[in-house]
Amino acid sequence: EAGVAQSPRYKIIEKRQSVAFWCNPISGHATLYWYQQILGQGPKLLIQFQNNGVVDDSQLPKDRFSAERLKGVDSTLKIQPAKLEDSAVYLCASSLDEEGWWTGELFFGEGSRLTVL
Amino acid sequence: LAKTTQPISMDSYEGQEVNITCSHNNIATNDYITWYQQFPSQGPRFIIQGYKTKVTNEVASLFIPADRKSSTLSLPRVSLSDTAVYYCLVGDTTGGSYIPTFGRGTSLIVHP
Repeated sequence: EAGVAQSPRYKIIEKRQSVAFWCNPISGHATLYWYQQILGQGPKLLIQFQNNGVVDDSQLPKDRFSAERLKGVDSTLKIQPAKLEDSAVYLCASSLDEEGWWTGELFFGEGSRLTVL
Repeated sequence: LAKTTQPISMDSYEGQEVNITCSHNNIATNDYITWYQQFPSQGPRFIIQGYKTKVTNEVASLFIPADRKSSTLSLPRVSLSDTAVYYCLVGDTTGGSYIPTFGRGTSLIVHP
């Protein structure tokens, strides 16, 4: 079974530039998550989709970050304009979970490492 | 959301049993406890999940006392490859929304 696919694996940009990350979840998984992980810290949830609706985006900096999950399958996370403090690994995860039936088991991709200079 | 507290780091030696305890004093009735493992340059990986008493799988055991205010992940006979960060999550998997929230985790270093 194919895992969660993310691209690009690495990206280096200068501050104020824009960047986009792509995620393709495991086939059939209803819920998709984007996490930001700064070095030395645990993953921080940015946004959680169930199918193509948003479950939670309370920690997404909406002035510069945006995310979409068209057709309830793959997803894109965009940062515009980037700041130095956005340097982190952006992790995408998916799960079979749907409302009222949660396993709590997330499957993560390898992540996209962003460096903002 | 129930807040969790774990030791920041632990050291062990190959062949020893390692127990990592997570405190979650305000755990709610419907909350489940889930543990993840994360190696450098990889995303976290689900290890084990439980609600009460003891759960065991091929990788680890999870011990949860009757009051459920803490839980202990037990790794039997660790090897160098068990060096990783371990996260404890607590959340309601029976309700309308489950928001998986990670803390800082416990960095386990296994020495030869």
